[in-house]
Amino acid sequence: AQSVTQLGSHVSVSEGALVLLRCNYSSSVPPYLFWYVQYPNQGLQLLLKYTSAATLVKGINGFEAEFKKSETSFHLTKPSAHMSDAAEYFCAVGGTSYGKLTFGQGTILTVHP
Amino acid sequence: GAGVSQTPSNKVTEKGKYVELRCDPISGHTALYWYRQSLGQGPEFLIYFQGTGAADDSGLPNDRFFAVRPEGSVSTLKIQRTERGDSAVYLCASSLSGSGTDTQYFGPGTRLTVL
Repeated sequence: AQSVTQLGSHVSVSEGALVLLRCNYSSSVPPYLFWYVQYPNQGLQLLLKYTSAATLVKGINGFEAEFKKSETSFHLTKPSAHMSDAAEYFCAVGGTSYGKLTFGQGTILTVHP
Repeated sequence: GAGVSQTPSNKVTEKGKYVELRCDPISGHTALYWYRQSLGQGPEFLIYFQGTGAADDSGLPNDRFFAVRPEGSVSTLKIQRTERGDSAVYLCASSLSGSGTDTQYFGPGTRLTVL
């Protein structure tokens, strides 16, 4: 069985500050890991994914995440927050045989001017 | 090109009624997934189609839920005898081949409200 825990249902940062959204996973097989973003009234959009190549993964909009097997973590970071980053972010773990995803509960990111 | 579309965007029904939710995947994508997102939660897997066949329906909550994809493109999620607990946003996603490394492209969802 696979599971994802996102620490912090709400994160608030100032514009220009570091963004750090935490994700820990549990998986009995080598995982594939994903971060999705959901803007209000829009569908989920892929930010980045780890599929067993480089452990530091770069995504869209300046986001990146690092896969740390020893810590079972896949935290999402961005050096400098922008107002447009305000959204809900979901971490997900997938199996290697097909694409069934198990999502975390989500983290709502608020960016203050 | 066109993304994943879902209709209707909103559906309000009464307890005990039957509803159908439609998903149009990206053309050429063989894999199609349904998820359900309750308020304040992440999406939960319902069913996975590879082509016309349901390869994994382990997430369907009970036998009131059924889904089809008869021609390997459009899919319909059917819910019989709806209950208030079925209220949620139903998301559809498609991917090129169904591989675990594939990107899943999500539709905007259908918000189902059962009164």
